[in-house]
Amino acid sequence: DQQVKQNSPSLSVQEGRISILNCDYTNSMFDYFLWYKKYPAEGPTFLISISSIKDKNEDGRFTVFLNKSAKHLSLHIVPSQPGDSAVYFCAASASITSNYKLTFGKGTLLTVNP
Amino acid sequence: GAGVSQSPSNKVTEKGKDVELRCDPISGHTALYWYRQSLGQGLEFLIYFQGNSAPDKSGLPSDRFSAERTGGSVSTLTIQRTQQEDSAVYLCASSLAMGGNNQPQHFGDGTRLSIL
Repeated sequence: DQQVKQNSPSLSVQEGRISILNCDYTNSMFDYFLWYKKYPAEGPTFLISISSIKDKNEDGRFTVFLNKSAKHLSLHIVPSQPGDSAVYFCAASASITSNYKLTFGKGTLLTVNP
Repeated sequence: GAGVSQSPSNKVTEKGKDVELRCDPISGHTALYWYRQSLGQGLEFLIYFQGNSAPDKSGLPSDRFSAERTGGSVSTLTIQRTQQEDSAVYLCASSLAMGGNNQPQHFGDGTRLSIL
């Protein structure tokens, strides 16, 4: 039972355009969401997070949107740069149960073409 | 750097052998986590340590897996009698104490374990 789903295994965009990465979840207890970026042979790097009390969080070129009613979040990268090419993981946790245990999606490979 | 350090970076061993994987968390981080990532999968939670509290071992897949954290810092994940399905990248992460506030977990580069 996959509680966090990233339905697009890959995404390709042109440099300068917007990249939109999507994530859906099924567990209504999830209230904290994170995005991680991973290069080959490296560990995931924390990018941005959002608490369920918000619907948007922005940090430079990265914005995360949360739609609780749809159990959907998305990561927007604008403008996209070739260095953004990596695998992006969505993760979630539930503070009422075990706020430390992250549940991850399978990742989306983003390729930004020059 | 001052990030999470894991060793070895790669480990190849024969089926049936025991392996030990080491994690050195970020200084000052009291919470430490182990995850594993099998090919084509997301990260799977294994175990969590927080200060002197009893660890949450609920993610360990079998009793062949164990972990300890000595002195509240370095952690060792041990896999006994390894099987081919144990082949994966084992990732360690650490974070500041929770204290009621969500804190992001910071990951090491992992140990790529291959069981022949």
